[in-house]
Amino acid sequence: AQSVAQPEDQVNVAEGNPLTVKCTYSVSGNPYLFWYVQYPNRGLQFLLKYITGDNLVKGSYGFEAEFNKSQTSFHLKKPSALVSDSALYFCAVRDGAGANNLFFGTGTRLTVIP
Amino acid sequence: NAGVTQTPKFRILKIGQSMTLQCTQDMNHNYMYWYRQDPGMGLKLIYYSVGAGITDKGEVPNGYNVSRSTTEDFPLRLELAAPSQTSVYFCASSHDRPPYEQYFGPGTRLTVT
Repeated sequence: AQSVAQPEDQVNVAEGNPLTVKCTYSVSGNPYLFWYVQYPNRGLQFLLKYITGDNLVKGSYGFEAEFNKSQTSFHLKKPSALVSDSALYFCAVRDGAGANNLFFGTGTRLTVIP
Repeated sequence: NAGVTQTPKFRILKIGQSMTLQCTQDMNHNYMYWYRQDPGMGLKLIYYSVGAGITDKGEVPNGYNVSRSTTEDFPLRLELAAPSQTSVYFCASSHDRPPYEQYFGPGTRLTVT
């Protein structure tokens, strides 16, 4: 069965420092992986995805994610954090057997400290 | 450029009442979804639909019903509301082909007391 783990509930980083939000997954077959961001009182916004190809995926707002098949990880990264990056981040994996259902992690709250 | 819209934004229900959460998308997506988001629990899939007239249960369907009479609309019905249904509800839609990313509405915050 598909599953996603986000081991950190909270990540704090100083403005200007690099940030990493961790995600590991379990899926049968080839994974389709996604990162979404949620700002307060808003719906989820798509950031980036991995379907196939290069292991380093670039997305919106300067974010990127590194797919590592051997470690079954898909960590979200950004070279230089902004205060405006403070939000709730969700990793998700597609259920290949179903329609297009996504299994979401429990989320990681990122706080960027000025 | 509306995307996915949901109404209402907020609602307070008494135990045992019923209501319908509305969801509409204007992107001509075949696939639509309903999720609930509880604190610290991520999103759980309630129901999904792969096209007009076709719906199926997700992870947590009990206490809910859906219908899909048109491509655009995917209402979620709560019958006999219970406190356990207090949550934030999100509707989403996606294409039925890669890359499959889902587009979310702004959510409905529901409180059952």
